[in-house]
Amino acid sequence: SYELTQPPSLSVSPGQTASISCSAEKLGHKYVCWYQQKSGQSPVLVIYQDSKRPSGIPERFSGSNSGNTATLTISGTQAMDEADYYCQAWDSGTVFGGGTKLTVL
Amino acid sequence: QVQLVQSGAEVKKPGASVKVSCKASGYTFTSFDINWVRQASGQGLEWMGWMNAYSGDTGYEQKFQGRVTMTRNTSIGTAYMELSSLRSEDTAVYYCVRDLSYSSSWKVFDYWGQGTLVTVSS
Repeated sequence: SYELTQPPSLSVSPGQTASISCSAEKLGHKYVCWYQQKSGQSPVLVIYQDSKRPSGIPERFSGSNSGNTATLTISGTQAMDEADYYCQAWDSGTVFGGGTKLTVL
Repeated sequence: QVQLVQSGAEVKKPGASVKVSCKASGYTFTSFDINWVRQASGQGLEWMGWMNAYSGDTGYEQKFQGRVTMTRNTSIGTAYMELSSLRSEDTAVYYCVRDLSYSSSWKVFDYWGQGTLVTVSS
């Protein structure tokens, strides 16, 4: 079965850039979405079709996808960005990555 | 504004079934697929399957085949997910989600319900 691999955790200082990776074989051939989930809340779509931002998502969120790796980048990370982040793709069914806990300290 | 409002928390015994509802508003219900995703406490997201809200066609993750049924009532804009033969490992928050994609080869979950906690315990 197809698996998306994310680092379990990442820590950044406020104002710095956070880059969260999502890896799988030939992932660049698929569309990738990213979701943000804050504690106790439902997930929120932050990036779709690799690099598009839904309305209302700040410009500091961006995405890319090439080769075997997709990346979610948060520029100028803020305390409010502390959350779990999940990548998602389709391979005979929807697949989610295991999630990355982003800590801003 | 688009909203997906789910039914309340459930407590079930092992072997029983649970049916979770998801009422859509703020858009034409039959224009978008509804998917179901679950999340056990402290764990990641797990996709269960999709339903075309117009035709009622469904597709289930192999893990849930034979135990899950997704249906809808278009007259009231509501989707349902029923899971049978419950076991303790099914204890999780269940989310209904709207799929923006209109595609069979990629999905975009743009709106999520608030989640329904299903607890399976004897």
